[in-house]
Amino acid sequence: QVTLRESGPALVKPTQTLTLTCTFSGFSLSTSGMCVNWIRQSPGKALEWLALIDWEDDKYYTTSLKTRLTISKDISKNQVVLTMTNVDPVDTATYYCTRMRFVDSGLPPHGMDVWGQGTTVTVSS
Amino acid sequence: DIQMTQSPSSLSASVGDRVTITCRASQNINIFLHWYQQKPGKAPKLLIYTAAVLESGVPSRFSGSGSGTEFTLTISSLQPEDFATYYCQQSYSTPQLTFGPGTRIDIK
Repeated sequence: QVTLRESGPALVKPTQTLTLTCTFSGFSLSTSGMCVNWIRQSPGKALEWLALIDWEDDKYYTTSLKTRLTISKDISKNQVVLTMTNVDPVDTATYYCTRMRFVDSGLPPHGMDVWGQGTTVTVSS
Repeated sequence: DIQMTQSPSSLSASVGDRVTITCRASQNINIFLHWYQQKPGKAPKLLIYTAAVLESGVPSRFSGSGSGTEFTLTISSLQPEDFATYYCQQSYSTPQLTFGPGTRIDIK
């Protein structure tokens, strides 16, 4: 059974750095084609893709937040960590990690088939 | 970046109704369009991938179609548990992934 679980602080102050951890089981991020994404959802708003890390340790970020985000993985712990620097109240959101797989060689992936339950982060002084 | 739009943004429907949601991409995304269902306070759930393939365990009343820039999600007979928000998402431009703004289905 594949599961993902997000963890991190519920409250952070503006200008601080937010660190979120995704702990997963049931798959390995060293397996070819495997990826983990971070997605966020501000209250009452749509889903926003933030970052992706793949089995080759390639890292990608949404253009608008690229300078503030860092994604990394620890294969031995089955964890993916997202850091966001200089947070602002607009970063208040529920943050999800998701699994995504490249199933067919050379073709885009099939969507995010497993999601964590999400962790809610409030940015406030 | 590829932009996604959805219509309508919300709709009211009754149990048993046939419901169709449209998702449009700002450029050709082939069939790399996926649909998710999200209920309040819960994480989204993958319903359909690559435009028309039902994820395992998803009821057959859900179906998807389309290619290129226009896609539809259809619920053939709305059930009480289907009242939720539905999002489309493109993976054609992976790693830059984008979601649509969502369509909320309410009880009429």
